[in-house]
Amino acid sequence: GAGVSQSPSNKVTEKGKDVELRCDPISGHTALYWYRQSLGQGLEFLIYFQGNSAPDKSGLPSDRFSAERTGGSVSTLTIQRTQQEDSAVYLCASSPGRGSQETQYFGPGTRLLVL
Amino acid sequence: AQSVAQPEDQVNVAEGNPLTVKCTYSVSGNPYLFWYVQYPNRGLQFLLKYITGDNLVKGSYGFEAEFNKSQTSFHLKKPSALVSDSALYFCAVRAPYNFNKFYFGSGTKLNVKP
Repeated sequence: GAGVSQSPSNKVTEKGKDVELRCDPISGHTALYWYRQSLGQGLEFLIYFQGNSAPDKSGLPSDRFSAERTGGSVSTLTIQRTQQEDSAVYLCASSPGRGSQETQYFGPGTRLLVL
Repeated sequence: AQSVAQPEDQVNVAEGNPLTVKCTYSVSGNPYLFWYVQYPNRGLQFLLKYITGDNLVKGSYGFEAEFNKSQTSFHLKKPSALVSDSALYFCAVRAPYNFNKFYFGSGTKLNVKP
């Protein structure tokens, strides 16, 4: 089947605006992850979903960031009142379930630029 | 605390030569270790992983990695580099008791010159 998809692929917004980033995981995958990759940096963990619940939100950098997942499938990451430091590539990944041995499968990312 | 270190920001190698991309980790207990590759404007692609068993793990595109517990390392290797291997490589570790998170290294840019 299809891999993880993300939309939009690119987003340019003005400082102070809200943005929504979407992730469609691989069908049947119950675990979903959001990461942020800033220029020249590694991946920063943001949030993890198991089904519709988010047992680990520890990586969200501020209360401007929120995420939800509905129907155990699609997830939306929302950034309110965007700041220039939010500019980064936002990556989504999914995996089949709860096992630590599982591989995460990544989407192509959304490149966000805040002007 | 869990962490991963990739000590080299960049590795340069000539096509046909062997390559090594280094990774060391810090984690309590027996780690699960992964390598991913990222091509320009693409997401991360899984290369290989070590869970248990044989310390030498073989993965995609001819890559392999050796788990060394005493040195807490998981270096990525390939016997003969290709120009098409040029990309950004990430090492990641996951503690077996904490499947919520991958801890990623900062990445190593591999440049393979013809």
